[in-house]
Amino acid sequence: AQTVTQSQPEMSVQEAETVTLSCTYDTSESDYYLFWYKQPPSRQMILVIRQEAYKQQNATENRFSVNFQKAAKSFSLKISDSQLGDAAMYFCAYRIGVTSGGGADGLTFGKGTHLIIQP
Amino acid sequence: DTAVSQTPKYLVTQMGNDKSIKCEQNLGHDTMYWYKQDSKKFLKIMFSYNNKELIINETVPNRFSPKSPDKAHLNLHINSLELGDSAVYFCASSISDRGGNQPQHFGDGTRLSIL
Repeated sequence: AQTVTQSQPEMSVQEAETVTLSCTYDTSESDYYLFWYKQPPSRQMILVIRQEAYKQQNATENRFSVNFQKAAKSFSLKISDSQLGDAAMYFCAYRIGVTSGGGADGLTFGKGTHLIIQP
Repeated sequence: DTAVSQTPKYLVTQMGNDKSIKCEQNLGHDTMYWYKQDSKKFLKIMFSYNNKELIINETVPNRFSPKSPDKAHLNLHINSLELGDSAVYFCASSISDRGGNQPQHFGDGTRLSIL
């Protein structure tokens, strides 16, 4: 079974600084996808960024970027120029790919990292 | 607005009752899911439906019965509610036929509280 581990229950960063959230995963599959979701106090689940395992290039979305190390099974999220609105729970998630039979598979989530932004 | 909508947003009820949570998506997706988020914020898949067919049924008590009348709806009915059922339940949807990178779109969640 696939597992996703987020080893930092809580992180704190000063506004405008950069923070990196860690995520490791365990899988025997070669076709899979990785995601970071953000859950602010409003409870919504918001997709931040996604990465296809077959792509070597790290995904970026504005101030958000990932460091995807496939051999190490590591998928960290870097938030640059942190803003107060970034304060939230961040969840790393894994999903098996279609070629591995995962067309309708659910996401496997890590336990989350609570990100605090200090003004 | 295009979205995944769940009703109700809050549900407070007594132990032993039966309740339902409704979910609808107008995104044209063919796959829908139910997740449970416990008090420690841990999210776990419960069910997934693809074109109204049950695909995933994780180790969920059979008191939980999903119903998908069509591709756009996936309702969750819970019988004989127990204290441990208190949680936030999220509905989500996605497209299954374009690879697993299609993100799942989540509803706003239903907070279920059992007294």
